Amino acid sequence: AQSVAQPEDQVNVAEGNPLTVKCTYSVSGNPYLFWYVQYPNRGLQFLLKYITGDNLVKGSYGFEAEFNKSQTSFHLKKPSALVSDSALYFCAVREKGARNYGQNFVFGPGTRLSVLP
Amino acid sequence: NAGVTQTPKFQVLKTGQSMTLQCAQDMNHEYMSWYRQDPGMGLRLIHYSVGAGITDQGEVPNGYNVSRSTTEDFPLRLLSAAPSQTSVYFCASSYTSGHTDTQYFGPGTRLTVL
Repeated sequence: AQSVAQPEDQVNVAEGNPLTVKCTYSVSGNPYLFWYVQYPNRGLQFLLKYITGDNLVKGSYGFEAEFNKSQTSFHLKKPSALVSDSALYFCAVREKGARNYGQNFVFGPGTRLSVLP
Repeated sequence: NAGVTQTPKFQVLKTGQSMTLQCAQDMNHEYMSWYRQDPGMGLRLIHYSVGAGITDQGEVPNGYNVSRSTTEDFPLRLLSAAPSQTSVYFCASSYTSGHTDTQYFGPGTRLTVL
């Protein structure tokens, strides 16, 4: 069965500092990996995804994520945090080749990022 | 495009009442799904549809029904509301049911069952 872990409930970082939001996954095959962001009282917005190819994926709003197959991780990063980046971040995984479209998209529990001015 | 829209934004029900959460998308997306979001649990899939007339169960389907009579609409019905169904509900859609497709989410419906 697939699973996603986001080991930190909360990440605090000062504005201008680099930020990292961690994600590890478990699938029996190869993964497709996604990051979504949720601002207060809003739906989830897509940030970026890893499908294949370059392990470093660049996404919206200056975010990037690095796929590390040996560590089964897909950490979200940004070189310089903004106060406006404060939100809830979700990592999600889909198993490549899985036949059940409904049950193969698994979200992590979310990490709340607070960027302090 | 309006994207994915959901109504109502907020709803309070009494135990045993029924209601329908509406979801619509104007992007001609094939795949639509319903999730519930509970603190510390991420999003859990309730039901999904890979096209008009085709629906299937997700991870937590009990107490919910869906139908997909048109490509645009995917309502979620609570037959007899229970306090355990207090949650935030999100509808999502993607162009196809392909594994690499990005899902687009609606703004959510916050449901409280007393």
